[in-house]
Amino acid sequence: SYELTQPLSVSVALGQTARITCGGNNIGSKNVHWYQQKPGQAPVLVIYRDSNRPSGIPERFSGSNSGNTATLTISRAQAGDEADYYCQVWDSSTSDVVFGGGTKLTVL
Amino acid sequence: EVQLVESGGGLVQPGGSLRLSCAASGFTFSSYWMHWVRQAPGKGLVWVSRINSDGSSTSYADSVKGRFTISRDNAKNTLYLQMNSLRAEDTAVYYCARTTPSSSFFDYWGQGTLVTVSS
Repeated sequence: SYELTQPLSVSVALGQTARITCGGNNIGSKNVHWYQQKPGQAPVLVIYRDSNRPSGIPERFSGSNSGNTATLTISRAQAGDEADYYCQVWDSSTSDVVFGGGTKLTVL
Repeated sequence: EVQLVESGGGLVQPGGSLRLSCAASGFTFSSYWMHWVRQAPGKGLVWVSRINSDGSSTSYADSVKGRFTISRDNAKNTLYLQMNSLRAEDTAVYYCARTTPSSSFFDYWGQGTLVTVSS
């Protein structure tokens, strides 16, 4: 089955740029989606199809996907961006959904 | 406003059964694929099951195959998850979420319902 690998944690200074990676075999050929989850809350979609932002998501959130790595970039990080972030793809070979293990973002 | 509201969670003994429900409103329920995703305490998101728009096709994660059954009632705008032969490792918050047939991302999620399997 397809696997997605994320770093357990990423730290960023307030106002700086955070990058969260999601690794997978030839992930660049898949559509990657990203979710933000704050403690005690349901996940929220922040990026879909690699680089698209849903309405209401700040422009500070962006995404890219190429080769074996997809990346979620958060510019001008704010304290309110502290959360767990998950990448997700659709594994067409099994018709199943796959999530990465999640990355805890800390804003210092 | 799109709303997904789960219910039916609770404490159940190992080997027991539970049925979760997800009441949908604010959108044309019968046009969307629906999914269950779970999250064990302190752990990540894990996809559990999905059902297509008319209920004719379903899929399950290997960890629940043969024990869980997903279903839907489009007349009642409700999604279900029948969980049998429950194990301690099934303890989690269970979320329902939707995707469209042409997309693979979850644009709306419910608030989740906690299932605890313990003696």
